Amino acid sequence: EPEVTQTPSHQVTQMGQEVILRCVPISNHLYFYWYRQILGQKVEFLVSFYNNEISEKSEIFDDQFSVERPDGSNFTLKIRSTKLEDSAMYFCASRRAPAGGGNQPQHFGDGTRLSIL
Amino acid sequence: DAKTTQPTSMDCAEGRAANLPCNHSTISGNEYVYWYRQIHSQGPQYIIHGLKNNETNEMASLIITEDRKSSTLILPHATLRDTAVYYCIVRPRPGATNKLIFGTGTLLAVQP
Repeated sequence: EPEVTQTPSHQVTQMGQEVILRCVPISNHLYFYWYRQILGQKVEFLVSFYNNEISEKSEIFDDQFSVERPDGSNFTLKIRSTKLEDSAMYFCASRRAPAGGGNQPQHFGDGTRLSIL
Repeated sequence: DAKTTQPTSMDCAEGRAANLPCNHSTISGNEYVYWYRQIHSQGPQYIIHGLKNNETNEMASLIITEDRKSSTLILPHATLRDTAVYYCIVRPRPGATNKLIFGTGTLLAVQP
């Protein structure tokens, strides 16, 4: 069964450094998402992306964050200058276009654990 | 988006059916009920979703009450690997916001 893959599984970065988290969504999916989960807290929506542009973003997704689909397969999340509070699990998700008016579920990767020192 | 209410935790004996309730009394007519689960340190896993009718797939069954104000996720024969946090999420139909809003869910502990 096709799945969303994320790399690396664990990223350790010094505060103030840039970090890029990578995701390969399921191949026929058109909608892409990033979520994060701080240890012990809820899964939080960051951003959704469709047709090469952001369709929605949360308050968390400030100017330090950006997303890109650089080619036909990858979907990346960049944090420009990391802060201690960016330490979290980051999950990528993808969804295919709705068929026949029905709803389609998002499918998640297993995440990247980002640790900021 | 409609708010959901779930018990904080539940226990279930291995091999028995696990019935996880969810209250969504403010759901509107075009909102779907989704269930996901999160096994420790993994990404959320899609289980099932429905609008009005009961649904069944290889993982679970979803029973939605006639007034759609509550639903129950049924795992017919729970195993130890079903121990996870289960999230009930109400989502609008296509065309509206697509984000998923996760609550705290129900921690299901399957006991041997």
